[in-house]
Amino acid sequence: KAGVTQTPRYLIKTRGQQVTLSCSPISGHRSVSWYQQTPGQGLQFLFEYFSETQRNKGNFPGRFSGRQFSNSRSEMNVSTLELGDSALYLCASSFQGGGHNEKLFFGSGTQLSVL
Amino acid sequence: AQSVSQHNHHVILSEAASLELGCNYSYGGTVNLFWYVQYPGQHLQLLLKYFSGDPLVKGIKGFEAEFIKSKFSFNLRKPSVQWSDTAEYFCAVNLGPSGGSQGNLIFGKGTKLSVKP
Repeated sequence: KAGVTQTPRYLIKTRGQQVTLSCSPISGHRSVSWYQQTPGQGLQFLFEYFSETQRNKGNFPGRFSGRQFSNSRSEMNVSTLELGDSALYLCASSFQGGGHNEKLFFGSGTQLSVL
Repeated sequence: AQSVSQHNHHVILSEAASLELGCNYSYGGTVNLFWYVQYPGQHLQLLLKYFSGDPLVKGIKGFEAEFIKSKFSFNLRKPSVQWSDTAEYFCAVNLGPSGGSQGNLIFGKGTKLSVKP
């Protein structure tokens, strides 16, 4: 079956703009998580959605937001972009997000460059 | 704040050498522990995980990890590495009782492993 699909693959924006990234989870998966990956900070958790509800949120400013649709697809939005937002944004999905028999499946990510 | 430390940024080994990558976490409560791997050009994927029970867990491709609660450690090991093990390895923890949300992981900064043929 198809894996986790993230679009677009690359984005270039300028400071002050906003951006929307999209994630389509594996069919049947209802949990979607987002992570920011940078060389300095590594992988940092942004938020997790399950059945259209935000279940967990990381320590990021309010400029970072997300949502999940009824088909489990998720979007994250970053408003008023700053240079430090340049990063690889990864999406991961799982059936329910937890449990011994579950695991996360990651997408290839969206590489965001803010100029 | 809870954190995960991976001691080595880059490890270079020759084929057939033994591997041990260190991982320590800072949290006194119940944790679930994971190792993820990212091969060049591929997605992050789960290598192994520990929720409870036997502290020695075995994963894919001959990897294993040992949970030592008293040391807050979860080191990754492989007795004999291959060139194909060249990748970046990430240790991660999830706070809470077994079965808690795996979507919320705290990752270490990763260790790049280069295996020379």
